[in-house]
Amino acid sequence: AQSVAQPEDQVNVAEGNPLTVKCTYSVSGNPYLFWYVQYPNRGLQFLLKYITGDNLVKGSYGFEAEFNKSQTSFHLKKPSALVSDSALYFCAVSVMDTGRRALTFGSGTRLQVQP
Amino acid sequence: ETGVTQSPTHLIKTRGQQVTLRCSSQSGHNTVSWYQQALGQGPQFIFQYYREEENGRGNFPPRFSGLQFPNYSSELNVNALELDDSALYLCASSGGGRGAHEQYFGPGTRLTVT
Repeated sequence: AQSVAQPEDQVNVAEGNPLTVKCTYSVSGNPYLFWYVQYPNRGLQFLLKYITGDNLVKGSYGFEAEFNKSQTSFHLKKPSALVSDSALYFCAVSVMDTGRRALTFGSGTRLQVQP
Repeated sequence: ETGVTQSPTHLIKTRGQQVTLRCSSQSGHNTVSWYQQALGQGPQFIFQYYREEENGRGNFPPRFSGLQFPNYSSELNVNALELDDSALYLCASSGGGRGAHEQYFGPGTRLTVT
């Protein structure tokens, strides 16, 4: 069985400061990792994914994530936070060995960026 | 390019009733997945359809069932509604092939069971 852990329910950061939202995962097989963002009363919006290759993945809105196989982590980062980044962030994993694309999500981390 | 759409937006049902939720996938996508997101939690995988056939199911009882149509739109049916079925139901579509394609989500249907 696969699982995702987001150890922080909430992350607070001042505007202009770097931000990190943590994610660790557990799978049998090669992981495919994703970050999504959810704004109030909205569906999930895709930010970025790691499939293979370079461990640093760049995505939408200046976000990036670093895949670390030895630590089974996929932390989301941004060099300079904006107030508009305040939202709920979900890390997700899938295993493609069977061709199924079901995502297993973490419990989410609320990012609050203060002006 | 049209995104994923879902209907209705909101729905209120009584315990024991049945409900059908609908989803239109993004143009060119042949895979549809359904997720249940309870308040304050991450989405939980219900099932997935690929080219009109079920392609995996999560830990949900048989009263949760689905369909995918030739145009790749999909329905989620829930029978004998329970209070715990109150949640945001999300539909996501993704492209074809065996690649690890990202899933694109619709805005969701908020179901309230009273």
